[in-house]
Amino acid sequence: DQQVKQNSPSLSVQEGRISILNCDYTNSMFDYFLWYKKYPAEGPTFLISISSIKDKNEDGRFTVFLNKSAKHLSLHIVPSQPGDSAVYFCAAIRDGANNLFFGTGTRLTVIP
Amino acid sequence: NAGVMQNPRHLVRRRGQEARLRCSPMKGHSHVYWYRQLPEEGLKFMVYLQKENIIDESGMPKERFSAEFPKEGPSILRIQQVVRGDSAAYFCASSPYTERGYTFGSGTRLTVV
Repeated sequence: DQQVKQNSPSLSVQEGRISILNCDYTNSMFDYFLWYKKYPAEGPTFLISISSIKDKNEDGRFTVFLNKSAKHLSLHIVPSQPGDSAVYFCAAIRDGANNLFFGTGTRLTVIP
Repeated sequence: NAGVMQNPRHLVRRRGQEARLRCSPMKGHSHVYWYRQLPEEGLKFMVYLQKENIIDESGMPKERFSAEFPKEGPSILRIQQVVRGDSAAYFCASSPYTERGYTFGSGTRLTVV
């Protein structure tokens, strides 16, 4: 039962352009969402998060948008850089819980 | 300020052997989480521990898997009588308290041959 879904396994973007990574969830009890970035042979690194009481959170080149009615969130990276090439995981957590539910990841390739 | 340390980085075991995966949380962190990533899948929660206590093991397989976080020393994830389906990357994460953005280690890649 995949409660967090990333339907695009891969995405290629030209350097300098915008990267948009999408994530859908099914559990309406999720109240906090996170994006992690992962390089090969390394653990996930926290990137940005958003609470369900907000619809947007911005940190430098990274912005996360949350649409609760659609149970959808997206990560925007602008401008994209070659160093952004990695696998990006969307994760969600229920109010009062401790464990994260992860999506299957999207591999982003930024082409110089 | 070392991060979350996991060892070994790579572990090869034959079917039926035991695998022990170690995780030393960040200094000052008393909460440890174990996740497993099967090939082509996302990370799946296994267990959440505090010092000397298992808080939530709802993601742990019922048999052959156990976890501990003793008062002294690292957290240990133990897999007895490994099978090929146990081959995966096992990640540990830690946090100083119950918070929603913890730090992950680099993982242990277990290969069962």
